[in-house]
Amino acid sequence: DSGVTQTPKHLITATGQRVTLRCSPRSGDLSVYWYQQSLDQGLQFLIQYYNGEERAKGNILERFSAQQFPDLHSELNLSSLELGDSALYFCASSPRGLSYEQYFGPGTRLTVT
Amino acid sequence: ILNVEQSPQSLHVQEGDSTNFTCSFPSSNFYALHWYRWETAKSPEALFVMTLNGDEKKKGRISATLNTKEGYSYLYIKGSQPEDSATYLCAPSGANNLFFGTGTRLTVIP
Repeated sequence: DSGVTQTPKHLITATGQRVTLRCSPRSGDLSVYWYQQSLDQGLQFLIQYYNGEERAKGNILERFSAQQFPDLHSELNLSSLELGDSALYFCASSPRGLSYEQYFGPGTRLTVT
Repeated sequence: ILNVEQSPQSLHVQEGDSTNFTCSFPSSNFYALHWYRWETAKSPEALFVMTLNGDEKKKGRISATLNTKEGYSYLYIKGSQPEDSATYLCAPSGANNLFFGTGTRLTVIP
């Protein structure tokens, strides 16, 4: 158990809908990262937040947004969902930035039908 | 997108054998290099983070080296055990991004 929690574990929704994925980092970690793993691609970095502010941005679509709250939990919002958004979404946390080890949560599996 | 190459793509070794994998990446704008171990149906598990040229890190039977000037890192496993079977991912990062390789899938045969 990494200490990072993600909810929900599974999510099934229809195209065009909007969903919110939630992540709670390990106690004391200030950075939260979001990753997407789809069937036809490897692990893709989406975005990093550090102490409430966006710090780094990867291949995140404009339909996707994230935020980190004062209690350091983070939410990833996915809107206007398409079939291709079906994937496993991981959250990870680290004490500080990209030069620290990251601890991954169990993931949320999103299925868009 | 950073071009990260890992080789070999897959590897089968006998229990007790030692093995190593390679991660190659562009050396410009380098910030850190992460290695992860990823077992099927689980989440990636951090093995090492290295930042300095010449860094060497060790955790039990697993060790890693880093050459930032030529853009490569090696991961070594000494005396492989069946529980080492997993996909090993490397992820070099710049200051504001991080890119994963496709991984090396290791199978250790008892």
